[in-house]
Amino acid sequence: GAVVSQHPSWVICKSGTSVKIECRSLDFQATTMFWYRQFPKQSLMLMATSNEGSKATYEQGVEKDKFLINHASLTLSTLTVTSAHPEDSSFYICSASGQRPYGYTFGSGTRLTVV
Amino acid sequence: GQQLNQSPQSMFIQEGEDVSMNCTSSSIFNTWLWYKQDPGEGPVLLIALYKAGELTSNGRLTAQFGITRKDSFLNISASIPSDVGIYFCAGQSTSGTYKYIFGTGTRLKVLA
Repeated sequence: GAVVSQHPSWVICKSGTSVKIECRSLDFQATTMFWYRQFPKQSLMLMATSNEGSKATYEQGVEKDKFLINHASLTLSTLTVTSAHPEDSSFYICSASGQRPYGYTFGSGTRLTVV
Repeated sequence: GQQLNQSPQSMFIQEGEDVSMNCTSSSIFNTWLWYKQDPGEGPVLLIALYKAGELTSNGRLTAQFGITRKDSFLNISASIPSDVGIYFCAGQSTSGTYKYIFGTGTRLKVLA
């Protein structure tokens, strides 16, 4: 149990375009999902906490107008990188909080490359 | 963002050796989780700890939740080549949104 599906697994986009990443909890309801960003050989940095039916809570330094988060249902959260630039290229990972003993389950990540 | 101190940063070991890594924090945590991440993949949960002093095993892996609630360690016994990867600890904050904070990671390389 406690499977989180993330799509797409990789995407290449042109500078200035927007990209949407989906995160779904497949077998449980997740009132809270989290979005992380990971640069090569670094740890996961929390970008924002996504709450179903309400606005996301962004970490300090994360531009909420650039990284749009929508959590419209108990099983789906989306992250949209708007007007992407090469510096936005990174590995983006979502996670959802399930019941014990599953702890905190991650999606498989999305590698975004902006060219 | 806030991070936990995790050590060692990296280690090379021989196959069959035991491995130990730990995380420390200046803050108290309610929950400690240990993850392994393979290249290009999301982290996979190895062990979850929910109570101070708790010692939990998962196969060759053993982890403990420190009594002070400010640290945790992970041991891997009799390492094998597939243990290669990056190991992260994560602690759940007791304040604010109860979000998880991740350690800096331990990169493990096993020499056959």
